[in-house]
Amino acid sequence: EAGVAQSPRYKIIEKRQSVAFWCNPISGHATLYWYQQILGQGPKLLIQFQNNGVVDDSQLPKDRFSAERLKGVDSTLKIQPAKLEDSAVYLCASSLRTGAPYEQYFGPGTRLTVT
Amino acid sequence: LAKTTQPISMDSYEGQEVNITCSHNNIATNDYITWYQQFPSQGPRFIIQGYKTKVTNEVASLFIPADRKSSTLSLPRVSLSDTAVYYCLVANQAGTALIFGKGTTLSVSS
Repeated sequence: EAGVAQSPRYKIIEKRQSVAFWCNPISGHATLYWYQQILGQGPKLLIQFQNNGVVDDSQLPKDRFSAERLKGVDSTLKIQPAKLEDSAVYLCASSLRTGAPYEQYFGPGTRLTVT
Repeated sequence: LAKTTQPISMDSYEGQEVNITCSHNNIATNDYITWYQQFPSQGPRFIIQGYKTKVTNEVASLFIPADRKSSTLSLPRVSLSDTAVYYCLVANQAGTALIFGKGTTLSVSS
């Protein structure tokens, strides 16, 4: 079974530029998550989709971050404009459905460096 | 939202049993406890999940006391490959309000 795919794996941009990350979840998984993981910290949930609807985006900085999941499969996360503090690993995860006991399967992440 | 507290780091030797405790004092009635393992440059990987008492799978055991204000991940006979960061996650039954702790860095040496 193929895992969660993310691209790019690495990205370096200057502050005030924009950037987009792509995620392809495991086939058949209805729930998709985007996390931000700053070095030395645990993952922080940014947004959670159930199919193509948003379940939780309470911690998404909506003035600069946006995410969409068209057709309930792939998803993109965008940052515009980027700030220095956005430097982090952005992790995408998917699960069969929302709710316990559905475990999350994580992708390898995209490491973003903002200079 | 239940916040979690874990030791920052732990050291062990190969073959020993390791117990990592997570405190979640304000856990809600319907919240579940899940543990993940993360290696450098990889995403977290599910280890085990529980609601109360004891859960065991092929890699670990999870002990949850009656008051559910803490939980302990037990790794039997660790090896060098168990060196990783371990995260405790508390989430509600609906699978929302997901909050990871800061994680415990486990270092296993020979």
